[in-house]
Amino acid sequence: DQQVKQNSPSLSVQEGRISILNCDYTNSMFDYFLWYKKYPAEGPTFLISISSIKDKNEDGRFTVFLNKSAKHLSLHIVPSQPGDSAVYFCAASGEAGGTSYGKLTFGQGTILTVHP
Amino acid sequence: DAGVIQSPRHEVTEMGQEVTLRCKPISGHDYLFWYRQTMMRGLELLIYFNNNVPIDDSGMPEDRFSAKMPNASFSTLKIQPSEPRDSAVYFCASSLAIGRAFFGQGTRLTVV
Repeated sequence: DQQVKQNSPSLSVQEGRISILNCDYTNSMFDYFLWYKKYPAEGPTFLISISSIKDKNEDGRFTVFLNKSAKHLSLHIVPSQPGDSAVYFCAASGEAGGTSYGKLTFGQGTILTVHP
Repeated sequence: DAGVIQSPRHEVTEMGQEVTLRCKPISGHDYLFWYRQTMMRGLELLIYFNNNVPIDDSGMPEDRFSAKMPNASFSTLKIQPSEPRDSAVYFCASSLAIGRAFFGQGTRLTVV
């Protein structure tokens, strides 16, 4: 039972254009969502997060959107740069007191390639 | 701070041998997580600790896997006996608060 799903294994984008990475979740108890970036031979690094009380969070070129009714979140990167090429994971954790509190449940990841 | 430190970076062992993976979390962090990454299952949480106490070990695949955190600055993940299907990258992560975890560089385990 995959509670966090990234249905696109890969995405290819031209430098300067927008990259949109998508993530769906099934557990309605999730209330905190994160995006991580991972380069080969390194651990995932935190990129941006959003609480369920918000629908948008922005940090420089990165914006995360949350649609709770659709149980969907997306990461927008504008403008995309070749250095953004990496695997992107979305992750979710549950509210305090719930069974998924403290756990970070990850999606399968999306390989983003930004072409110069 | 040097970040989360894992050792070894690479481990090759024969089936049936005991394997011990080590992790030093970021100083002051009170949560520690062990994850495993495989092609088939992606990043899956094995176990996590809060203030050195195991909170949820439901992700530990079998009794062959065990994890300890004897103090706030050290944790181990042990596999005994190891099997080829245990081959994966094992990540340790720590956090000050729930959600935003900092990962180590991982240990690539190969069991032949």
